[in-house]
Amino acid sequence: GQNIDQPTEMTATEGAIVQINCTYQTSGFNGLFWYQQHAGEAPTFLSYNVLDGLEEKGRFSSFLSRSKGYSYLLLKELQMKDSASYLCAVLDSNYQLIWGAGTKLIIKP
Amino acid sequence: DADVTQTPRNRITKTGKRIMLECSQTKGHDRMYWYRQDPGLGLRLIYYSFDVKDINKGEISDGYSVSRQAQAKFSLSLESAIPNQTALYFCATSDGTTDTDTQYFGPGTRLTVL
Repeated sequence: GQNIDQPTEMTATEGAIVQINCTYQTSGFNGLFWYQQHAGEAPTFLSYNVLDGLEEKGRFSSFLSRSKGYSYLLLKELQMKDSASYLCAVLDSNYQLIWGAGTKLIIKP
Repeated sequence: DADVTQTPRNRITKTGKRIMLECSQTKGHDRMYWYRQDPGLGLRLIYYSFDVKDINKGEISDGYSVSRQAQAKFSLSLESAIPNQTALYFCATSDGTTDTDTQYFGPGTRLTVL
């Protein structure tokens, strides 16, 4: 079966750095997405990786290793508004998005 | 104005009632999707449509039906609602023309079935 694993919850301090990991086992791979979702709101697109390596976008970076079935989202200079759930999703061989359950990130002052 | 809108935003109904959730988009995208989200679970695909004449079942289509009335409109129906269909429902769109085919989500409909 297809599976995406992420930690359920993480806590970090304002101004610090946090890394959210995602491992996947899917039938095929056509890219990996990270979305941010504030409580009760819609998921919003953060990043897309299809090749191995690091993609940097401001305070957020996303890394992919296809051979290891692994990705992480790195958030720097954490702000209180970064408190949200972060969803990892993989586009499989049928171009269907398979979603992880999300990681709830709690930022403390 | 929001690019993807959903109505209603909240709905409480009773077991056995027929419910329709509506989604409209002004992004000009061909592809539209319906998901449900339950606490502790990932988003699960109910139905998707790649154009007006194309409708496909997703992972959990049982108990649901859809209608693609136009490129901009995609409705989800629960013919006879049951309590385990209580969830947060999201509509999403994508343009289908880029490699990434990023999906953009509506604000969600919170449905409670008593």
